Amino acid sequence: QVQLVQSGAEVKKPGASVKVSCKASGFIFTNHYMHWVRRAPGQGLEWMGIINPGADSTSSPQKFQDRVSMTWDTSTSTVYMELRRLTSEDTAVYFCARGLWNQRFSPFDYWGQGTLVTVSS
Amino acid sequence: QSVLTQPPSVSGAPGQTVTIPCTGSSSNIGAAYDVNWYQQFPGKAPQLLIFANSHRPSGVPDRFSGSKSGTSASLAITGLQAEDEAEYYCHSYDSSLTTSVFGGGTKVTVL
Repeated sequence: QVQLVQSGAEVKKPGASVKVSCKASGFIFTNHYMHWVRRAPGQGLEWMGIINPGADSTSSPQKFQDRVSMTWDTSTSTVYMELRRLTSEDTAVYFCARGLWNQRFSPFDYWGQGTLVTVSS
Repeated sequence: QSVLTQPPSVSGAPGQTVTIPCTGSSSNIGAAYDVNWYQQFPGKAPQLLIFANSHRPSGVPDRFSGSKSGTSASLAITGLQAEDEAEYYCHSYDSSLTTSVFGGGTKVTVL
């Protein structure tokens, strides 16, 4: 069965970086786009970007472009999201999600369990 | 401020029907981009409830239905049950922002 298992909770100081991992299983990793979504306390969901492991490409909204790096390791079917120069506004639960279709906009049919990132001095 | 607008909360008695609207604009829902809906329980990951406006993934009860018209979409829950208490999010694409966009979420309470 399809599973996305994320790394554990993190506590970071302002200005630091955080790297969250998401290990996929139960499907052919390079056949699906993967996405990152976050939910800050009291806020709605926010799309952070997309990874296409099969075509060696990533894309993210302008809001995150200079602070986020999305990478992957095909040998372990794992995607990573690194967010730099953290502020308190980055405190959120971060989710990886699989795209149902291989295109920039797609429903997300499977989600990781979420990783809480807390930014506090 | 979310690009797609949802009411913060709706409520209904068991067995009733509740409808959650999702209002967009000409650059997202009104531009013919599909709308998806997710259900999220506290402390859990969102789950896909409706995709491509009105399609249910396997395993989703037919009590849940979606529709779209013009610049808006809606999710209906008929025969409301206590287990339907959750947060619901709409999701579409915005061509001006060139990103996926979500609604702010609607908390459904079963009275």
